[in-house]
Amino acid sequence: DIQLTQSPSFLSASVGDRVTITCRASQGISNSLAWFQQKPGRAPNLLIYRASTLQSGVPSRFSGSASGTEFTLTISSLQPEDFVTYYCLQFNNYPYTFGRGTKLEIK
Amino acid sequence: EVQLVESGGGLVQPGGSLRLSCSASGFRFSSYWMSWVRQAPGKGLEWVADMSQDGIRKYYVDSVRGRFTISRDNAKESVDLQMSSLKADDTAVYYCAREGETGTLDHWGQGILVTVSS
Repeated sequence: DIQLTQSPSFLSASVGDRVTITCRASQGISNSLAWFQQKPGRAPNLLIYRASTLQSGVPSRFSGSASGTEFTLTISSLQPEDFVTYYCLQFNNYPYTFGRGTKLEIK
Repeated sequence: EVQLVESGGGLVQPGGSLRLSCSASGFRFSSYWMSWVRQAPGKGLEWVADMSQDGIRKYYVDSVRGRFTISRDNAKESVDLQMSSLKADDTAVYYCAREGETGTLDHWGQGILVTVSS
C-alpha cells in the first residue's frame, strides 16, 4: 500500500498567517493527490484535486503544488474558519490511502 | 444539487451484520464510481471500498475484504455496503462519496454511525 506521510500533525498559527502542510508519498503517484478540509462533526470537503487544481467554490487562498512525491497545501492568509483539520488522499493506487491529518489551531 | 444520504447505521454486536445504504440524487448516478469511507471516533479517514459504474469492478481495503461487500442499484440510484463479521474496530462514521470527474471524492454524504459493541 502507498503510505502518505502528512506533516505536521498539529500546526499553531494566527489569523492572516501563511501556512503549508505537506504530504509525502512512499512511491510515485503521478498527480493523483487531493486535499480535504474537515470541520468537526461534518463530512470532509474537497479543496484541491490533481495536486494543484482548485475545486469549484473553494477560496483562492488555498493552493496545492507538487514536486516528485512531495505535495503541499498552502493557505495564503488564514481566516478564522480555516482552523480545522486537513487530510491528503492518494487515488493513484488501490487501496486509496489518506494522510493522518493536520489539525490547524489558533495561536 | 448533488445529495448523498446514508442510512442503516446503529448498534450491532461483535460478529453481527449490518447493511448500510446510500441514496443519491442530483446527478446521473449510473455514470459515476462510488466509494465508502469511514472514520473511527476521534481518528482519521480510511477509504473502505469502491465500485465502478456498471458494478463489475470492486475494490476493498485489506481490513474489510471478505467481510464487507459493496453493491449498487443504478435504477434505484443507491449504493450499499453489506458488513458482516463485524468487529469493535469497525466502529466508525461511514460516509458514501462520489468519485467525480475530478478523479476523486468530490461529494460526500453526511455520514452514519456504526457502533460494534456488546
